[in-house]
Amino acid sequence: DTGVSQDPRHKITKRGQNVTFRCDPISEHNRLYWYRQTLGQGPEFLTYFQNEAQLEKSRLLSDRFSAERPKGSFSTLEIQRTEQGDSAMYLCASSLVEKIPGLGISSYNSPLHFGNGTRLTVT
Amino acid sequence: QKEVEQNSGPLSVPEGAIASLNCTYSDRGSQSFFWYRQYSGKSPELIMSIYSNGDKEDGRFTAQLNKASQYVSLLIRDSQPSDSATYLCAVNQAGTALIFGKGTTLSVSS
Repeated sequence: DTGVSQDPRHKITKRGQNVTFRCDPISEHNRLYWYRQTLGQGPEFLTYFQNEAQLEKSRLLSDRFSAERPKGSFSTLEIQRTEQGDSAMYLCASSLVEKIPGLGISSYNSPLHFGNGTRLTVT
Repeated sequence: QKEVEQNSGPLSVPEGAIASLNCTYSDRGSQSFFWYRQYSGKSPELIMSIYSNGDKEDGRFTAQLNKASQYVSLLIRDSQPSDSATYLCAVNQAGTALIFGKGTTLSVSS
């Protein structure tokens, strides 16, 4: 278990440029989450995937943001036409939601395991 | 809108004392409750999870849940300077995303 891996660790870009971040979850985890965190705030939910399906998106995820998880493995988060307000730490997390025989998906969410994050600075 | 409220602090306690961190949440359907610790510049790491009313103890940490009052707390006994960090409360319903509070900053002085 190598943990959740994010790349790059830091990204500095000019306003208006596009950026893409990658997240590799813990291999046996079927859920993958993206959060954004700014100084003094808790992580803010952006979106999450169950396997390859994107199940929920926050209203924070404007049309400039897109996330994918092809084949249910790694995920990418792209921000188009970056703005200075996009400067933040982008956190990826994964979890394992187990199926209970006869009952379907577990009623309880397992804890999230976070990567080290990608710090984005838009100048 | 689902909300999770925490006092931002800072909460200052002397070494060896008990630190008490509190959290309230708005969604009555919430089923899973977590406490994460976050050191400056690092990502959150899980300390405790609790799913049922009552207390759950793990070493120096005790999580307390009261669903009727929509309240969850974390007690840290014998606080150490290494416990100085931001503590994040997180809550969700099954199948939905985890919602975090803004965090409480704890400072333990030696």
